[in-house]
Amino acid sequence: DTAVSQTPKYLVTQMGNDKSIKCEQNLGHDTMYWYKQDSKKFLKIMFSYNNKELIINETVPNRFSPKSPDKAHLNLHINSLELGDSAVYFCASSQALTSGNEQFFGPGTRLTVL
Amino acid sequence: GNSVTQMEGPVTLSEEAFLTINCTYTATGYPSLFWYVQYPGEGLQLLLKATKADDKGSNKGFEATYRKETTSFHLEKGSVQVSDSAVYFCALSRTGGFKTIFGAGTRLFVKA
Repeated sequence: DTAVSQTPKYLVTQMGNDKSIKCEQNLGHDTMYWYKQDSKKFLKIMFSYNNKELIINETVPNRFSPKSPDKAHLNLHINSLELGDSAVYFCASSQALTSGNEQFFGPGTRLTVL
Repeated sequence: GNSVTQMEGPVTLSEEAFLTINCTYTATGYPSLFWYVQYPGEGLQLLLKATKADDKGSNKGFEATYRKETTSFHLEKGSVQVSDSAVYFCALSRTGGFKTIFGAGTRLFVKA
């Protein structure tokens, strides 16, 4: 049973296109996140939702729009893709308000913009 | 603000060598501290954690002790294996908070 799943695993697309990445967690967690990991493995938080409410919105271009239809799902839509958007995007979830805020990560989506 | 600093890699060791990856943090209050590991082609997974000062987290032969006096959480393993080759991230999270601050990651290569 996969705890945090993402689709697709790989995404190759042209500059200017619009694409979406989907994430689902079956852990019953209240909080979900999107992270971007660059080629040097640096991990940067982009967004976080708690109970479908946006609570973290880091300095991210407004071409990126997250959507959380329910607590178990957090999708990421990207408009007008640029070369610099190429990265691995990770979804994660946690039960944030309990002790520790341990994060559970999905397998990642490798986005390549040509 | 809160931050995590960990030693730059890559770290290259021979099998059965002793491993230390240094991690220091800056935070207000009493954060929880974590080590995550990322194997090639996978997402991060929790390796160990400590939620208060002097706690020792341990898992799979790895250990780290929460040292408030030195604001450190160094990762150690007595005898590394080739299968330990991965990227290791130190992280902190404020209790009751939503945000986790990750270090830059340290890549470990273990040679047979």
